[in-house]
Amino acid sequence: DAKTTQPNSMESNEEEPVHLPCNHSTISGTDYIHWYRQLPSQGPEYVIHGLTSNVNNRMASLAIAEDRKSSTLILHRATLRDAAVYYCILRDGGEYGNKLVFGAGTILRVKS
Amino acid sequence: DTEVTQTPKHLVMGMTNKKSLKCEQHMGHRAMYWYKQKAKKPPELMFVYSYEKLSINESVPSRFSPECPNSSLLNLHLHALQPEDSALYLCASSQDMVGGLMREQFFGPGTRLTVL
Repeated sequence: DAKTTQPNSMESNEEEPVHLPCNHSTISGTDYIHWYRQLPSQGPEYVIHGLTSNVNNRMASLAIAEDRKSSTLILHRATLRDAAVYYCILRDGGEYGNKLVFGAGTILRVKS
Repeated sequence: DTEVTQTPKHLVMGMTNKKSLKCEQHMGHRAMYWYKQKAKKPPELMFVYSYEKLSINESVPSRFSPECPNSSLLNLHLHALQPEDSALYLCASSQDMVGGLMREQFFGPGTRLTVL
């Protein structure tokens, strides 16, 4: 499985944008970039995913570098409820595409 | 209904006990998963079921025995566990992978297992 590298932790102020980086230099052409987050005492929840183009949904935006070796999850206005561990995951688009391999993730702390 | 439910929420068992974890979803998903999460670590995939058939076993010890009796239910039978098996056990489900389309996984809240 291709690996991802994320900062261990980040801190943000409430109501400000947050940019969570992820490096995936060994990404293959069929790998999708997925982001999940895990709030305290809960199971992970899906945030967003993309292949090549930038993506937006109601939760966040995903900016993907042109060479696909890195991506950034953008929370436009962080709230206290966004404090969580954010996981950047590469999902194989082939036979084992339903397999999620979690890395260490980034702990996001949001200050009021 | 976009919920995955897991029972029990907490479970304490001895090393000689036999117990089962239960997971249920009513979203019509045909892929279901078991993950194990140790404290302050990311979830680790254990098993994947696709259309009620085991498709991935990540070399999990035989003291963990999964079962998918129908498309809505997933069980994890536990027998002769060790204290190091204490962890949060997460269940997830997703639509199937036909056509190579990516499908988000929906996770339950987990069962907190303690093995004494």
